[in-house]
Amino acid sequence: DGGITQSPKYLFRKEGQNVTLSCEQNLNHDAMYWYRQDPGQGLRLIYYSQIVNDFQKGDIAEGYSVSREKKESFPLTVTSAQKNPTAFYLCASTVSGTSSYEQYFGPGTRLTVT
Amino acid sequence: AQSVTQLGSHVSVSEGALVLLRCNYSSSVPPYLFWYVQYPNQGLQLLLKYTTGATLVKGINGFEAEFKKSETSFHLTKPSAHMSDAAEYFCAVSGGSNYKLTFGKGTLLTVNP
Repeated sequence: DGGITQSPKYLFRKEGQNVTLSCEQNLNHDAMYWYRQDPGQGLRLIYYSQIVNDFQKGDIAEGYSVSREKKESFPLTVTSAQKNPTAFYLCASTVSGTSSYEQYFGPGTRLTVT
Repeated sequence: AQSVTQLGSHVSVSEGALVLLRCNYSSSVPPYLFWYVQYPNQGLQLLLKYTTGATLVKGINGFEAEFKKSETSFHLTKPSAHMSDAAEYFCAVSGGSNYKLTFGKGTLLTVNP
């Protein structure tokens, strides 16, 4: 089955530690996205990538970093510079070059930093 | 630039009643509009989308939405609510070449027995 996998489902870290969230897709999609979700805030875009080895900052990129070395993978690192990292993180992907812009979402990773 | 406003952060209906979730958008280009549903601790699932053509769009689970350009609205409806419809619903807009979606803050739907 094609889809997007995010691991782990739940992640716990101590304050001051960097942590990397995994996102893998086997949909052959070109574009991938990372969102942060907080209660009552909707989804806010952190970073996105339209092709391999290229990515752009979204609306709330401070304290986060990404890489896109392979088409299938788009890991997100939450650095110690992120002041409030506890949140639900969602990865998504879409096919470039179509007119629909429909994004497919992974199951999410809930990060808790104490 | 694009934006989405979902009126009502929480909507409560009785089982069997009409569901109406409101979404208004702002877009400088012809919009593509989406409704997604999210169950607790899960990712988002696409309910329906409007790109071009027919303005009344039918989606999964009996939901539909109508694109009204003059009102800049894309409200989501379902004639008869089911307990399984209880979830959070997000409206989103896209229209640029970077394939970005802009989401509303979401509406939590509660269905009472």
